[in-house]
Amino acid sequence: GNSVTQMEGPVTLSEEAFLTINCTYTATGYPSLFWYVQYPGEGLQLLLKATKADDKGSNKGFEATYRKETTSFHLEKGSVQVSDSAVYFCALSFPAYSGAGSYQLTFGKGTKLSVIP
Amino acid sequence: SAVISQKPSRDICQRGTSLTIQCQVDSQVTMMFWYRQQPGQSLTLIATANQGSEATYESGFVIDKFPISRPNLTFSTLTVSNMSPEDSSIYLCSVEEGIEQYFGPGTRLTVT
Repeated sequence: GNSVTQMEGPVTLSEEAFLTINCTYTATGYPSLFWYVQYPGEGLQLLLKATKADDKGSNKGFEATYRKETTSFHLEKGSVQVSDSAVYFCALSFPAYSGAGSYQLTFGKGTKLSVIP
Repeated sequence: SAVISQKPSRDICQRGTSLTIQCQVDSQVTMMFWYRQQPGQSLTLIATANQGSEATYESGFVIDKFPISRPNLTFSTLTVSNMSPEDSSIYLCSVEEGIEQYFGPGTRLTVT
């Protein structure tokens, strides 16, 4: 089956440090890949996505590149801020087996990031 | 993107009771999803709700425990029945727009 593996957290960084959160996936075929962010006490927000090999998703200074050869989608940011403190989830999706046109998401376990001033 | 609201935002319930969670979307959507996020864990899909048909449940989730209604294209409810402390989780609804899914703010449930 499909699965997503993220680096274990928590990750603690100083403000303006460089961030990498590793994400690899196992899937048959070529899924779409996503990063979601969950700020304290809130629901999930879509941060960025990529739908095919070598695509780069970017948003709010975060980037991730779809690497088919390494089945990876690592999240990076050049200079983190305290406001980036959150839990980050890597996810993949495929059309649902039901064929009803929906896309089922498979999530990684999440990586908690804390940024200290 | 769709704007999704959920009610209640949080609740504390007693063992053996039931709670119904509401999910409202500001636009008409075909597919809605219900997820559970147990403390410190990732999200697990409970079921997919398509308007006008029975919800499709994932392995490990059954209709008697988590009945779902989908009366129209902007609304759905999830009931957590006969609750036990193991049901303490955040419950989130989401909607699909193209290949993307957007999530509500979640309902934080504590069962005592």
